[in-house]
Amino acid sequence: AIQMTQSPSSLSASVGDRVTITCRASQDIRNYLGWYQQKPGKAPRLLISAASNLQTGVPSRFSGSGSGTDFTLTISSLQPEDFATYYCLQNFNSPYTFGQGAKLEIK
Amino acid sequence: QLSESGGGLIQPGGSLRLSCVASGFTFVNYAMSWVRRAPGKGLEWLSDIDGSGRRTDYADSVKGRFTISRDNLNNMLYLQMNSLRAEDTAVYYCVLAGAFDFWGQGTQVTVSS
Repeated sequence: AIQMTQSPSSLSASVGDRVTITCRASQDIRNYLGWYQQKPGKAPRLLISAASNLQTGVPSRFSGSGSGTDFTLTISSLQPEDFATYYCLQNFNSPYTFGQGAKLEIK
Repeated sequence: QLSESGGGLIQPGGSLRLSCVASGFTFVNYAMSWVRRAPGKGLEWLSDIDGSGRRTDYADSVKGRFTISRDNLNNMLYLQMNSLRAEDTAVYYCVLAGAFDFWGQGTQVTVSS
């Protein structure tokens, strides 16, 4: 199975900060990578598909980049509603695997 | 829209069937998946099924214990869970497969004596 290694697993930041979360795949997954945001008690929300495609309704401060094995989610200017846990998911092949999550907390 | 039901408290070794009703899209055209999140842990893909229901796939952690199925006439997705263990305690989500872009609200399953 493809392993997805996310870093950091947690981080503290302030409103207005620029934040970067990375995800590394154990093998080439081309651009079959999605980024999800999950808040407590809620279902995950797809932010970015195919490594860099921003989903409709997602603020433009979110962006994704990368291909192959290394991927990045960037939030350009943190807003209060962005404090959540973020996951990457490889949907290149089964078993589909998630990163372990990155919990973003208010500093 | 996706809406799960069927969760609850079950003893170890017991069985439970989760259901998910789909609306707002042509259900038969889409593969579907189940994903869970255990307390204090991350998301885990469990299983998927193609639109026809003929092809299924499972994570090793549930293979042989869980069975995914669908009823395209009634826009329903199911997950039959047998031989449940404490480590199966989680919120279970029904998800549109492929891009995993639409999720239900989840149903809680607690396996405990």
